[in-house]
Amino acid sequence: GNSVTQMEGPVTLSEEAFLTINCTYTATGYPSLFWYVQYPGEGLQLLLKATKADDKGSNKGFEATYRKETTSFHLEKGSVQVSDSAVYFCALSEMSGGTSYGKLTFGQGTILTVHP
Amino acid sequence: EPEVTQTPSHQVTQMGQEVILRCVPISNHLYFYWYRQILGQKVEFLVSFYNNEISEKSEIFDDQFSVERPDGSNFTLKIRSTKLEDSAMYFCASRRTVVEQYFGPGTRLTVT
Repeated sequence: GNSVTQMEGPVTLSEEAFLTINCTYTATGYPSLFWYVQYPGEGLQLLLKATKADDKGSNKGFEATYRKETTSFHLEKGSVQVSDSAVYFCALSEMSGGTSYGKLTFGQGTILTVHP
Repeated sequence: EPEVTQTPSHQVTQMGQEVILRCVPISNHLYFYWYRQILGQKVEFLVSFYNNEISEKSEIFDDQFSVERPDGSNFTLKIRSTKLEDSAMYFCASRRTVVEQYFGPGTRLTVT
């Protein structure tokens, strides 16, 4: 079955540091890939997505590139802010073959804390 | 901007009681989902619902669980006889035809 593996956390950075959160996946078909963010006390918000190989998703300074050859979708940001402190989830969704109705498979989440 | 809403935000119930968690998906969406997140663990898929029927469910979604879209706007998750291990955050999500799902803020269920 499908699975998503994220780097172990938590991650603690100083403001303006570079962020990478690793994500790799296993899928039987051709998944779409997502990063969701969960701020304290809130639900899941879509941060960015990529639907095919070599696509780059970007939003709010965050980027991730769909790498089929390495089955990865690492999240990066060049300069983090205190307001980026949250839990980040990598996820995939498969729609192929008519047997999947797009359920999301999530990684375990990475807690990011950014200090001033 | 349209959003998914969920009520209540927090539900406390005793073991063995029935609970109904309510969701109002975005109005023109067609696919509906429930997920749960046990504290400190990953978000897990429970069930998907399309065209007024369950389209897919996980092994977690046993006979104690049911879903319903009673009136074309609400989407409910019922747990017939709650167990301690049902304590979790329950998220509703919906989508139209594009791949991304939009999540509600969640209902925290505490079973005592």
